[in-house]
Amino acid sequence: TQLLEQSPQFLSIQEGENLTVYCNSSSVFSSLQWYRQEPGEGPVLLVTVVTGGEVKKLKRLTFQFGDARKDSSLHITAAQPGDTGLYLCLRGSNTGKLIFGQGTTLQVKP
Amino acid sequence: DAGVTQSPTHLIKTRGQQVTLRCSPISGHKSVSWYQQVLGQGPQFIFQYYEKEERGRGNFPDRFSARQFPNYSSELNVNALLLGDSALYLCASSSLLAGELFFGEGSRLTVL
Repeated sequence: TQLLEQSPQFLSIQEGENLTVYCNSSSVFSSLQWYRQEPGEGPVLLVTVVTGGEVKKLKRLTFQFGDARKDSSLHITAAQPGDTGLYLCLRGSNTGKLIFGQGTTLQVKP
Repeated sequence: DAGVTQSPTHLIKTRGQQVTLRCSPISGHKSVSWYQQVLGQGPQFIFQYYEKEERGRGNFPDRFSARQFPNYSSELNVNALLLGDSALYLCASSSLLAGELFFGEGSRLTVL
């Protein structure tokens, strides 16, 4: 059972455009992590959000955790070719099961 | 400092064979988790071990098994390989049960 719904699954945009990736769940989660994976490498952590309504910024990336802690979004401003990759959300859990979303493949064309 | 290391990086097996994948966590990390990833999709959780005990299991058949050793390294075993087992197998380590995951570069398994 997929507990995290990520959208869109694929995004192809031109350099300089803005985009938003969404991660949704039907149940509350204690925390959420966003990772980025480049071809041939393992995912790398971008940010962890814990508090409902929390907003974190990482240069041109803005991460938001929904007030009800059932959803999160990643917004990229003025995308660059270096942002190309697979973006993944991961649901925090103390039960031992670590659930990723399906992933969003982002392609930024120069 | 060495990151998470996995071996082998690539391997080819035939249907029905068995495979063992190995993972060495970052020094000091006591948690290791395993994932199966097909191209363009998110990793699917297989197992998590913490302090040498299984702490979580994903929806994979009993052909998949794992263990963690006293030095916190880990092995993932897959028996009776099927074509559908072809994938990238990722290992991640973390210092806490629910902390940041540090991934290796994976073992790419091809089943013919």
